[in-house]
Amino acid sequence: DTGVSQDPRHKITKRGQNVTFRCDPISEHNRLYWYRQTLGQGPEFLTYFQNEAQLEKSRLLSDRFSAERPKGSFSTLEIQRTEQGDSAMYLCASSRTPRRDRGNEQFFGPGTRLTVL
Amino acid sequence: GQQLNQSPQSMFIQEGEDVSMNCTSSSIFNTWLWYKQDPGEGPVLLIALYKAGELTSNGRLTAQFGITRKDSFLNISASIPSDVGIYFCAGSYSGNTPLVFGKGTRLSVIA
Repeated sequence: DTGVSQDPRHKITKRGQNVTFRCDPISEHNRLYWYRQTLGQGPEFLTYFQNEAQLEKSRLLSDRFSAERPKGSFSTLEIQRTEQGDSAMYLCASSRTPRRDRGNEQFFGPGTRLTVL
Repeated sequence: GQQLNQSPQSMFIQEGEDVSMNCTSSSIFNTWLWYKQDPGEGPVLLIALYKAGELTSNGRLTAQFGITRKDSFLNISASIPSDVGIYFCAGSYSGNTPLVFGKGTRLSVIA
């Protein structure tokens, strides 16, 4: 299977703990995106990378959140001092670099469901 | 954050019926994407649209990019039980701007 993979699929943690999620994009894709999805909502953009460079961050990405893509391949999303409001599905997507003035087809992984107790 | 207006929120239909759903935005988009999401899984890309007025099909699915560039429509013909799920529209102004998603249309198919 050459799709986007995410690990772990589920994470239960206590408030105040740190958690880290991993995403492996489709191998030939140089863009990688992180989204958060809460119940009854569509995915909300958090941040994205072009190769190893983090090009944009949403206001949703508080200073407790940090994302890295050190070698331009897999990415990690870390949440420090988790809060109950962080409970959500964290989705990763990848795409090729889009053509000028056109959007990009993003392919999603299965997500990591985080529950903060 | 910004979200698109997607309607209806939910639909219950008989197997074999056709389905229509739509998505509107206050902003112009140059790309519209339609995704389907099953419980506990990530969204799966169904159709991508890049030109105003464009009509694109994928099997029993047909989607259109509205002329005003502020809306898009998805039709499913002859629905089957495996069409059950949540359908999301997503739009972006360019390849360098984030995708904005609707809240989804939950489709239930009664056999």
